[in-house]
Amino acid sequence: GAGVSQTPSNKVTEKGKYVELRCDPISGHTALYWYRQSLGQGPEFLIYFQGTGAADDSGLPNDRFFAVRPEGSVSTLKIQRTERGDSAVYLCASSPDQGYGYTFGSGTRLTVV
Amino acid sequence: KQEVTQIPAALSVPEGENLVLNCSFTDSAIYNLQWFRQDPGKGLTSLLLIQSSQREQTSGRLNASLDKSSGRSTLYIAASQPGDSATYLCAVRTYNTDKLIFGTGTRLQVFP
Repeated sequence: GAGVSQTPSNKVTEKGKYVELRCDPISGHTALYWYRQSLGQGPEFLIYFQGTGAADDSGLPNDRFFAVRPEGSVSTLKIQRTERGDSAVYLCASSPDQGYGYTFGSGTRLTVV
Repeated sequence: KQEVTQIPAALSVPEGENLVLNCSFTDSAIYNLQWFRQDPGKGLTSLLLIQSSQREQTSGRLNASLDKSSGRSTLYIAASQPGDSATYLCAVRTYNTDKLIFGTGTRLQVFP
């Protein structure tokens, strides 16, 4: 596609529920990144994929968070047993390869009530 | 541990002024530095990317400089316009990782 697409754009869920956030990167981009942005803060790194494999998942806050990219294109960020502190904007970005600039999607605003 | 700081946190100026936004980082071993713009409720738009071997990059009314040895970058906006109102974020990538470390941003308002 022309840009990085994230769905849904907004998600409201109840505490304790499971959510999935989807990212469609730019076609042909091998590198895909997930970031989380809380209000008034800069984005914080969660996980980075090179192709199908997670090259760096050091930013995932705990084992309730998991991400996959099974075919090296679309990625899904999965959050189990959501907590109110998980409320944030989840941003996805892609890049042609390491060393190039990132293109970000518009994000998914997750609200846990 | 790389830390990125941006000052000022907020800036409000009349239209037409030339502006300088500052970004500083603690680890000078960076691979590149990128400036982004973020509009309220939106994702990030890349403005300029400076590789570690470069001193500056220009795009239209924007000019970004990089001084690795002092751990600083500046974003210069010439002849500011109300449409420039947004939050400006800088982010660095260091050699031993592929992730970006972001500052907290400068919230810019340009009034007519």
